[in-house]
Amino acid sequence: NAGVTQTPKFRVLKTGQSMTLLCAQDMNHEYMYWYRQDPGMGLRLIHYSVGEGTTAKGEVPDGYNVSRLKKQNFLLGLESAAPSQTSVYFCASSEPPGLVRIYEQYFGPGTRLTVT
Amino acid sequence: GENVEQHPSTLSVQEGDSAVIKCTYSDSASNYFPWYKQELGKRPQLIIDIRSNVGEKKDQRIAVTLNKTAKHFSLHITETQPEDSAVYFCAASGNFGNEKLTFGTGTRLTIIP
Repeated sequence: NAGVTQTPKFRVLKTGQSMTLLCAQDMNHEYMYWYRQDPGMGLRLIHYSVGEGTTAKGEVPDGYNVSRLKKQNFLLGLESAAPSQTSVYFCASSEPPGLVRIYEQYFGPGTRLTVT
Repeated sequence: GENVEQHPSTLSVQEGDSAVIKCTYSDSASNYFPWYKQELGKRPQLIIDIRSNVGEKKDQRIAVTLNKTAKHFSLHITETQPEDSAVYFCAASGNFGNEKLTFGTGTRLTIIP
């Protein structure tokens, strides 16, 4: 079991360029999430998905788009990168909550993105 | 939306002493409160969590307490060890489930040998 994986691990972009970050999980989880982590600001939710074909906005969605065409993959796109999007991006996945138990979010290793 | 405040931002304790990290939340509907540990350059990992129908939960040297009336919850680490050095994040979920966690800004805990 690889758990949650992210591609790429590092990337440097110029302002205005576009890119896609790929998240994959092999735990058959329904829910997937994209966070960004900036110094002193903790983890902030960008977008999330509660199932294949569905996505929803989180706390900081502007400048990002997402797609969940397959249950195991969740893609994060930056159409026109800006220096303010320099951050570490984490993907996570989990089972949906049950009546008795709430399932933890499993995080990927992160992608360090620098926009110059 | 939910707002989670976490204190202190940095904490240094002698090895063997206890460490306490506190968080407050704003949404009275929040009902799930996990704590994550993140070592340098690594991914966050869940260490303990608590639901709103429980006031305290303990797992070996780690405990979490919840005061719903005051809307605050705390992480307690006893008999600290060097491997406890990391950044700790609290979080709160404002919905029934865990699909929208709001995180605190983190506490960098350093254990002094």
